[in-house]
Amino acid sequence: EPEVTQTPSHQVTQMGQEVILRCVPISNHLYFYWYRQILGQKVEFLVSFYNNEISEKSEIFDDQFSVERPDGSNFTLKIRSTKLEDSAMYFCASKGGGNQPQHFGDGTRLSIL
Amino acid sequence: AQKITQTQPGMFVQEKEAVTLDCTYDTSDQSYGLFWYKQPSSGEMIFLIYQGSYDEQNATEGRYSLNFQKARKSANLVISASQLGDSAMYFCAMREVQGTGRRALTFGSGTRLQVQP
Repeated sequence: EPEVTQTPSHQVTQMGQEVILRCVPISNHLYFYWYRQILGQKVEFLVSFYNNEISEKSEIFDDQFSVERPDGSNFTLKIRSTKLEDSAMYFCASKGGGNQPQHFGDGTRLSIL
Repeated sequence: AQKITQTQPGMFVQEKEAVTLDCTYDTSDQSYGLFWYKQPSSGEMIFLIYQGSYDEQNATEGRYSLNFQKARKSANLVISASQLGDSAMYFCAMREVQGTGRRALTFGSGTRLQVQP
């Protein structure tokens, strides 16, 4: 069964550094998302992406964040200058049309030191 | 106001018994979708079951069923014949289609289920 893949599984970065989290969505999916989950808390929406542009973003997704779909397969989340509070599990998800469910990747655990 | 409320932070169930995980939601939209996801200790998010607001029948997927009561705005997950591998965190989520047009999911705070042998 096709799946969403995320790399790396764990990223450790110094505060203030840039980090790029990578995702390969399911190939025929149209909608792409990033979520984050701070340890022990609920999953929070960051941004959705459709038709090569951001369709919606949450208040968490400030100017430090950006997303890109540089080619037909990858979908990346960049954090320009990481803060301690960016430490979380970051999930990529993708969805086909209609009422299809979002399928999540296994997540990238980001640790900011 | 909470969009998705899961009032049970933790639940225990004996192996082979059924368990119900509660979820209530709040929306003014007429069209929306309700989802349940399982998150094992390894961290991945696994889709379990979906219920559309216009679906007249409760959704079922194997041992999972969704007890959808639209008037009460509840979408409880029922797991029948619990197995040890069902021990995990379970999240209820909603996708609202109208209003902001947002298609992202709003998650509840989760219920940690522990299946005891």
